[in-house]
Amino acid sequence: AQSVTQLGSHVSVSEGALVLLRCNYSSSVPPYLFWYVQYPNQGLQLLLKYTTGATLVKGINGFEAEFKKSETSFHLTKPSAHMSDAAEYFCAVSGNNDMRFGAGTRLTVKP
Amino acid sequence: NAGVTQTPKFRILKIGQSMTLQCTQDMNHNYMYWYRQDPGMGLKLIYYSVGAGITDKGEVPNGYNVSRSTTEDFPLRLELAAPSQTSVYFCASSYQDLAKNIQYFGAGTRLSVL
Repeated sequence: AQSVTQLGSHVSVSEGALVLLRCNYSSSVPPYLFWYVQYPNQGLQLLLKYTTGATLVKGINGFEAEFKKSETSFHLTKPSAHMSDAAEYFCAVSGNNDMRFGAGTRLTVKP
Repeated sequence: NAGVTQTPKFRILKIGQSMTLQCTQDMNHNYMYWYRQDPGMGLKLIYYSVGAGITDKGEVPNGYNVSRSTTEDFPLRLELAAPSQTSVYFCASSYQDLAKNIQYFGAGTRLSVL
């Protein structure tokens, strides 16, 4: 079975500052890892995903994440936050046709 | 390009009433899913379908039923609504299995059971 822990239900950064959203996973099989973003009153949209190969994955809107097997982590980063990045972010892990989502991290960006 | 369309967007039910949440996708995806999203809990999978005529339970199926008569449609049925079913419901679809493939989500149905 898979599970995901997102550290920090709320993260607040200033515009232009580094964004770091933390995700740790547990999986009994090689994991596939995802980050989704949810804007208010909308469904989830894929930011990026890791399946195999390069461990540093680049996604949309300047976000990237690094798969670290030794740390069972898949943290999401962006060098410089923009006001439009304010949203809720979900980490997810899948394997054996079962996908599990984390509880989400709400990102606030201060002017 | 409509993608995944859910109706209605909002609904208030009384305890014991029944309703069907509609979901349709126009991407010819084989796989479809229903999730519920509760505050601070992330998304929980209710049911999923790997193709027309095939459905299976997810993590939290109790109190719900689904059917998949066509590739496009995957309705979710609540037979006897309970307050515990107050939630936001999302339908999603993917081309192949969710392990590797992107899921495309609808905008959600916000349901309150009073």
